[in-house]
Amino acid sequence: DAGVTQSPTHLIKTRGQQVTLRCSPKSGHDTVSWYQQALGQGPQFIFQYYEEEERQRGNFPDRFSGHQFPNYSSELNVNALLLGDSALYLCASSPGTGGTEAFFGQGTRLTVV
Amino acid sequence: AQSVSQHNHHVILSEAASLELGCNYSYGGTVNLFWYVQYPGQHLQLLLKYFSGDPLVKGIKGFEAEFIKSKFSFNLRKPSVQWSDTAEYFCAVNPLRAAGNKLTFGGGTRVLVKP
Repeated sequence: DAGVTQSPTHLIKTRGQQVTLRCSPKSGHDTVSWYQQALGQGPQFIFQYYEEEERQRGNFPDRFSGHQFPNYSSELNVNALLLGDSALYLCASSPGTGGTEAFFGQGTRLTVV
Repeated sequence: AQSVSQHNHHVILSEAASLELGCNYSYGGTVNLFWYVQYPGQHLQLLLKYFSGDPLVKGIKGFEAEFIKSKFSFNLRKPSVQWSDTAEYFCAVNPLRAAGNKLTFGGGTRVLVKP
């Protein structure tokens, strides 16, 4: 049973560019959340998708957007990249939205130069 | 806004020593509480969770945590650590009143166990 898978594992982009990160949830999970983990800090909630809609959003600008597909997989898009967007981006999946345990992927390490 | 504080950023121990990591949260309502661990090069994994009931919860690998509601605390303990417990530990909170399962994490504690 595959857990949460994310791609790519590493990515280098230039300031001003756009990036798309992908996530496949654990089998049987229909809710996907995205987190940003800056170096030396804990993960910060970006947003959550359920039934192909954004259900909750953290304190991130509109440059951060997402999508969920009918098969529950998800994408995180970041436009107009800033140096400060360099971080580990984590995807977490869970069954439903009711405060259950979240399972995390390995993350995508994004470096903006 | 809710927040989670982990008191120690770095902890260095010798094998067989006891470990206690502090976690305090600021949220007045009912919460679900979690401890996650991130071993070097690996993804975040759940160590243990508290939803309700016995405030002393046991997790994997000999870890336990105690929820003290009056202190808004959820401290993690292990009586005797091993070298393999070297990792970063994160406390996280999910307020039940909020829709969904958004987690608010603490800043993490890096634990180094010397052999």
